[in-house]
Amino acid sequence: AIQMTQSPSSLSASVGDRVTLTCRASQGIGNDLGWYQQKPGKAPKLLIYSVSILQSGVPSRFSGSGSGTDFTLTVSSLQPEDSATYYCLQDYSYPYTFGQGTKLEIK
Amino acid sequence: QVQVEESGGGVVQPGRSLRLSCAGSGFIFSSYSIHWVRQAPGKGLEWVAIISYDGRKIFYADAVKGRFTISRDNSRNSVYLEMTSLRREDTAIYYCARGPVIRAKYDVLDIWGQGTTVTVSS
Repeated sequence: AIQMTQSPSSLSASVGDRVTLTCRASQGIGNDLGWYQQKPGKAPKLLIYSVSILQSGVPSRFSGSGSGTDFTLTVSSLQPEDSATYYCLQDYSYPYTFGQGTKLEIK
Repeated sequence: QVQVEESGGGVVQPGRSLRLSCAGSGFIFSSYSIHWVRQAPGKGLEWVAIISYDGRKIFYADAVKGRFTISRDNSRNSVYLEMTSLRREDTAIYYCARGPVIRAKYDVLDIWGQGTTVTVSS
């Protein structure tokens, strides 16, 4: 199975900061990568698919980039409601695999 | 509105079985794949299984292959996850999520339920 590794595991930043989360695949996955946001006690929510396509209704401060094995999720101007854990998911081949998550906290 | 809803969770002894259900509404259920994803207490997300819109294509995570069976009944707008030989490490919140529509270019898990909790304990 393809392994997905996210870094950092946790991150603390201030409102208005630009933050970048990283996801690395153990082999090339083309553009078959999505990002999901999960707040405590809630179900995950789709943010971005196919590396960089923003899901409908997701604020434009979220963006994704990368290809092959290295991918990033960027929040251009952090807001208090962005406090959550973020997961990448490869949908290149079965079994699909999530990264271990990055917990983003607001200072 | 468009939604999926899980049911069937509970407390079960190791080695026993349990069946989860996922009911969809507000969309043409028979046109969409459905995923199961789980989350152990305090842990990250783990993809479990997928069934295609017509039930002909099925894939599992290695951790559940041979023990879990995914199926669907489009006449009831439902997908099921039959879990057998349950282990303590299967303890988790189980989410179902809507996957891609027929002939979609991308696979996205765009609609999630609130999850149902499975606890495997003696």
